[in-house]
Amino acid sequence: GAVVSQHPSWVICKSGTSVKIECRSLDFQATTMFWYRQFPKQSLMLMATSNEGSKATYEQGVEKDKFLINHASLTLSTLTVTSAHPEDSSFYICSANDPQGILSEAFFGQGTRLTVV
Amino acid sequence: GDSVTQMEGPVTLSEEAFLTINCTYTATGYPSLFWYVQYPGEGLQLLLKATKADDKGSNKGFEATYRKETTSFHLEKGSVQVSDSAVYFCALTLSNFGNEKLTFGTGTRLTIIP
Repeated sequence: GAVVSQHPSWVICKSGTSVKIECRSLDFQATTMFWYRQFPKQSLMLMATSNEGSKATYEQGVEKDKFLINHASLTLSTLTVTSAHPEDSSFYICSANDPQGILSEAFFGQGTRLTVV
Repeated sequence: GDSVTQMEGPVTLSEEAFLTINCTYTATGYPSLFWYVQYPGEGLQLLLKATKADDKGSNKGFEATYRKETTSFHLEKGSVQVSDSAVYFCALTLSNFGNEKLTFGTGTRLTIIP
């Protein structure tokens, strides 16, 4: 199946700094990628839809100025957590659909565990 | 709106026991249904899927049948193994074109004891 690579897999940062997470589709082009956040022992909550060449679409309650999304190419989307605080500590995971696939199923990155200290 | 209701965990079973994890959904259209599995420290992996009513998805001994009349997609396995310990997510999407989000259930943590 298609491969989505997410980097880094874990990061620890100081409060007030910014962290960038990359999501790459390795063997297909993805015009749309999705960013999810997973709180401990809870489900994945969609944060935003990343659209290549245009602005991301954010879900209600997600601060677009805090979670900056850039989808500059058909194989790369980045999520930057700006001025991170301990409450931003979470597991962030991206997904992309291979439009050439039989079902256009979603393929997920490995996830990034962010810890803000 | 669209939603997925999933059996709450955690679920603990002995090896070789029969497993059922319930999942029901509400959707405005005709969704495709999925089960994803998340092993400790890893991201999500697609376990199985079904795209229309009465379809049965199966993989690694797991199976689930798309039941439109009961709006359900229950996950079953006849004989679980320790390696099946993971978190299982039921999900749906209304898109066949790969440009729509997935809606997830809350996840069910499964622990299999030897």
